[in-house]
Amino acid sequence: DAGVIQSPRHEVTEMGQEVTLRCKPISGHNSLFWYRQTMMRGLELLIYFNNNVPIDDSGMPEDRFSAKMPNASFSTLKIQPSEPRDSAVYFCASSLAHVANTEAFFGQGTRLTVV
Amino acid sequence: DAKTTQPPSMDCAEGRAANLPCNHSTISGNEYVYWYRQIHSQGPQYIIHGLKNNETNEMASLIITEDRKSSTLILPHATLRDTAVYYCIVRLPGQGGSEKLVFGKGMKLTVNP
Repeated sequence: DAGVIQSPRHEVTEMGQEVTLRCKPISGHNSLFWYRQTMMRGLELLIYFNNNVPIDDSGMPEDRFSAKMPNASFSTLKIQPSEPRDSAVYFCASSLAHVANTEAFFGQGTRLTVV
Repeated sequence: DAKTTQPPSMDCAEGRAANLPCNHSTISGNEYVYWYRQIHSQGPQYIIHGLKNNETNEMASLIITEDRKSSTLILPHATLRDTAVYYCIVRLPGQGGSEKLVFGKGMKLTVNP
């Protein structure tokens, strides 16, 4: 398996534009996590899904952020409209969880710059 | 809402054992202790986890105190590639799905030649 795949790897956009980040989890995994990382705030959990259902979105900063998981092999994180303070590295992770937690595998991240 | 405390940084000599401490004094009976690390500009990488017993795998050993209020991650022979930020996390067991995986500030380990 190629691991968790995120696209794009780098994104530069202008303030006010819509940005869509994409994640393909490892095949067979049933949990998916979105994180944002900045120097100031560290690694923040934004939202996570179990079996394609959002379980906890309390980390989503505001209504400009939305995440979807239409099927087990794809998820998106959308920011509309984007602002300079959204500049960060966004990570997606997936894991296989049944009765007990298992390790989460992270993608390489998307570095977002909003100018 | 990280429930762990780690020193901000630590240095270790290459080839020596690195002992990374973590305090989790409010851990509940069914919470696991997890360790991840993040090498610069990469996504975090799982290392090991445990509940009560000490654990060992090809990467590291995890020593959990009897009262479970603290733990130590041991890298037996640190190499320069082990330089990274190490995160100690406590986490509930999943029930048909994953529980939250919340990272704190972590601890920067620098392995020196």
